[in-house]
Amino acid sequence: DAGVIQSPRHEVTEMGQEVTLRCKPISGHDYLFWYRQTMMRGLELLIYFNNNVPIDDSGMPEDRFSAKMPNASFSTLKIQPSEPRDSAVYFCASSLLGVREQYFGPGTRLTVT
Amino acid sequence: DAKTTQPPSMDCAEGRAANLPCNHSTISGNEYVYWYRQIHSQGPQYIIHGLKNNETNEMASLIITEDRKSSTLILPHATLRDTAVYYCIVRSGNTPLVFGKGTRLSVIA
Repeated sequence: DAGVIQSPRHEVTEMGQEVTLRCKPISGHDYLFWYRQTMMRGLELLIYFNNNVPIDDSGMPEDRFSAKMPNASFSTLKIQPSEPRDSAVYFCASSLLGVREQYFGPGTRLTVT
Repeated sequence: DAKTTQPPSMDCAEGRAANLPCNHSTISGNEYVYWYRQIHSQGPQYIIHGLKNNETNEMASLIITEDRKSSTLILPHATLRDTAVYYCIVRSGNTPLVFGKGTRLSVIA
């Protein structure tokens, strides 16, 4: 299996622009998680889905952030408009009910100037 | 907030066993202890998990005290590639992982 796939791996954008991060979970997995990692706050959960349905989005920082999972093999995290404080590494992870490990993607390093 | 306490950093000589402690005194009966690690610039990687019995896999061993209030992750023969941040997490079911600051392990040649 190819593992969790994220794109792009690096994104540099200017403040105010829309940013879309993409994630393809491991085939057959029914849980998908979005995390963000910064030096100040460490790794923190933003939102997670089960069977394509958002279960908990309490970690989404504000209305500028939105996440969708239109099907079992694809999810997006969108930031509109982006701000410099959104600069971070964003990780996507997936898991399977009954299997306790979460598998993480390589992350997207976002820089907002 | 994370429900675990770990030392911020540790050193280990290459080839020696690395013993990483974790305190989780408020763990509840249905919560498992998980260990993940994050090598620089990579996503976190699952290592091992356990409920109350000691566990061993190809990567590590997990020793959980009888009262389950603490545990130790053991890397039997640490290599330079084991240099990473190690996270101890308690969790039930398929709930999201809550990461603390972890322990930064430096394996020294």
